[in-house]
Amino acid sequence: QKEVEQDPGPLSVPEGAIVSLNCTYSNSAFQYFMWYRQYSRKGPELLMYTYSSGNKEDGRFTAQVDKSSKYISLFIRDSQPSDSATYLCAMRKSGSEKLVFGKGTKLTVNP
Amino acid sequence: DTGVSQNPRHKITKRGQNVTFRCDPISEHNRLYWYRQTLGQGPEFLTYFQNEAQLEKSRLLSDRFSAERPKGSFSTLEIQRTEQGDSAMYLCASSFGGIEPFFGPGTRLTVL
Repeated sequence: QKEVEQDPGPLSVPEGAIVSLNCTYSNSAFQYFMWYRQYSRKGPELLMYTYSSGNKEDGRFTAQVDKSSKYISLFIRDSQPSDSATYLCAMRKSGSEKLVFGKGTKLTVNP
Repeated sequence: DTGVSQNPRHKITKRGQNVTFRCDPISEHNRLYWYRQTLGQGPEFLTYFQNEAQLEKSRLLSDRFSAERPKGSFSTLEIQRTEQGDSAMYLCASSFGGIEPFFGPGTRLTVL
């Protein structure tokens, strides 16, 4: 079993839809959680990070962490074609600088 | 451009050749990371520097791989005797203090 599981999709939604992206993890030592967006043939871009259970909102994006269930989510409201990309969850343990990534979910938002 | 820069952006080499990649971090970022990403996978951690000290190293980093960060500024990643399995995107990232890493555009390596 991989430490971080993420459904690779692909996920296709119409413009304006609410998108839900999810990751599960097996190691309770993970304490810090991030979401990166990666456009084709580009490096990952940090979208959001959160260090505690609960919700964190930034514009159209909401990151949710449930440490008791070892489950994290990213919600995108009013999705736009420019949101079409691969979304990677990442996490790390306290005291370590190593990020462990999911496989990424490929999202397409159709106009 | 004040982001992380990587050179070259693309490298095609023949099996058995040595290759070297360069990463210039964001100015004043004292932490620098190397990751490798293959098609359809998330990035995998290779190594981490704080200033010039290499503090973490993955078991993925075999004896053929070496990374340096002289004077705590730019970093180089060298792969000796390349194999076809080394074909991947090599990503560099940097950070400072309590922020999470910012990634560069990557170097795409193709080993023929």
